[in-house]
Amino acid sequence: DAGITQSPRYKITETGRQVTLMCHQTWSHSYMFWYRQDLGHGLRLIYYSAAADITDKGEVPDGYVVSRSKTENFPLTLESATRSQTSVYFCASNLRGSYNEQFFGPGTRLTVL
Amino acid sequence: KNEVEQSPQNLTAQEGEFITINCSYSVGISALHWLQQHPGGGIVSLFMLSSGKKKHGRLIATINIQEKHSSLHITASHPRDSAVYICAPRRGGADGLTFGKGTHLIIQP
Repeated sequence: DAGITQSPRYKITETGRQVTLMCHQTWSHSYMFWYRQDLGHGLRLIYYSAAADITDKGEVPDGYVVSRSKTENFPLTLESATRSQTSVYFCASNLRGSYNEQFFGPGTRLTVL
Repeated sequence: KNEVEQSPQNLTAQEGEFITINCSYSVGISALHWLQQHPGGGIVSLFMLSSGKKKHGRLIATINIQEKHSSLHITASHPRDSAVYICAPRRGGADGLTFGKGTHLIIQP
């Protein structure tokens, strides 16, 4: 399917477990992003990537790890999940450059018990 | 202080009314996005602006870069316009978006 997809769409895990959220886009967009959305905080940037093998921290990177070995994939890993990481996670992408529309994935709702 | 301020936070209006949502930001930006999110739904980009004005159907977005202000207008509002509208400035390069807290809009029939 063309577009940007995320998996899983829903995930329940326990404190201390490792969790990986997947993001895949078919447009060969250079730029990719991970955001989290929480009541009271709105959307916040976790990590971003300008190209394969180039990643950088956003506003709230603590507790998360990313990698980007291929242009189309940008997985987000919670190394040891905490309750405060319960959130809805959105992946996004756009063509290289800041004057391009950003496209969002459908989101992953993660609950950490 | 939040870098992005949106107003109003909540707005309830009658079908057919003209709607205005305002966004002010405090940092220099390269572009500004307006996003729409329906309850429990995904995020859709409505506009990306770097200057002036854009129109798409009943939606109009304007930006004044010098005054660091943008507005989103909805003409002839309809219940299907009920959603959260989010202002999201972007500084530049590969930087991600920063976000306002959103405006929760309800259009009553």
